[in-house]
Amino acid sequence: LAKTTQPISMDSYEGQEVNITCSHNNIATNDYITWYQQFPSQGPRFIIQGYKTKVTNEVASLFIPADRKSSTLSLPRVSLSDTAVYYCLVGSLVGGFKTIFGAGTRLFVKA
Amino acid sequence: SAVISQKPSRDICQRGTSLTIQCQVDSQVTMMFWYRQQPGQSLTLIATANQGSEATYESGFVIDKFPISRPNLTFSTLTVSNMSPEDSSIYLCSVEDRIGAKNEQFFGPGTRLTVL
Repeated sequence: LAKTTQPISMDSYEGQEVNITCSHNNIATNDYITWYQQFPSQGPRFIIQGYKTKVTNEVASLFIPADRKSSTLSLPRVSLSDTAVYYCLVGSLVGGFKTIFGAGTRLFVKA
Repeated sequence: SAVISQKPSRDICQRGTSLTIQCQVDSQVTMMFWYRQQPGQSLTLIATANQGSEATYESGFVIDKFPISRPNLTFSTLTVSNMSPEDSSIYLCSVEDRIGAKNEQFFGPGTRLTVL
């Protein structure tokens, strides 16, 4: 399983766009990139998943460059309720996706 | 999406005792996972439990300490045996759901365990 590296914490203000970058230099050909969000006293929640280029859903966008050695989660116009820990994970969908969590990025959104 | 419940939601236990945590899913799933999360830390995978087979444990976790049952496709239990204060943590179960090319894990609310 490829190891991931993320910033430990980030600060932002309401209404700003937040970009969290994750490094995964040893990503394998079959690996997908997945991001989870976790609020205090709750289990993690799936945000977005992608393999290459760009993926967008109703809450976020995921940008993956051609070499796939990094990825960027983009949260548009964050609000106070986006304060949470964001985890980047890398793993293969082949043979069962065993999800190993890295340290995560603590995002603080200020008013 | 899968809805997961866990029992108990929290407990305070004495050193040397054991606690069994239950995980119930509202749909049939093949793979279930048990994680531990210590305060302020990330999640650590304990084991993967498939129905009808022995659980697969991650490095640092053994069956004698964390026996797991998986009697059917909607239920699993994790027992924390011979507890010590170091076992104080939040224990979460999760299930895997695949929809097309997307793989997603759903997590239960967690069981907060305090060992005195």
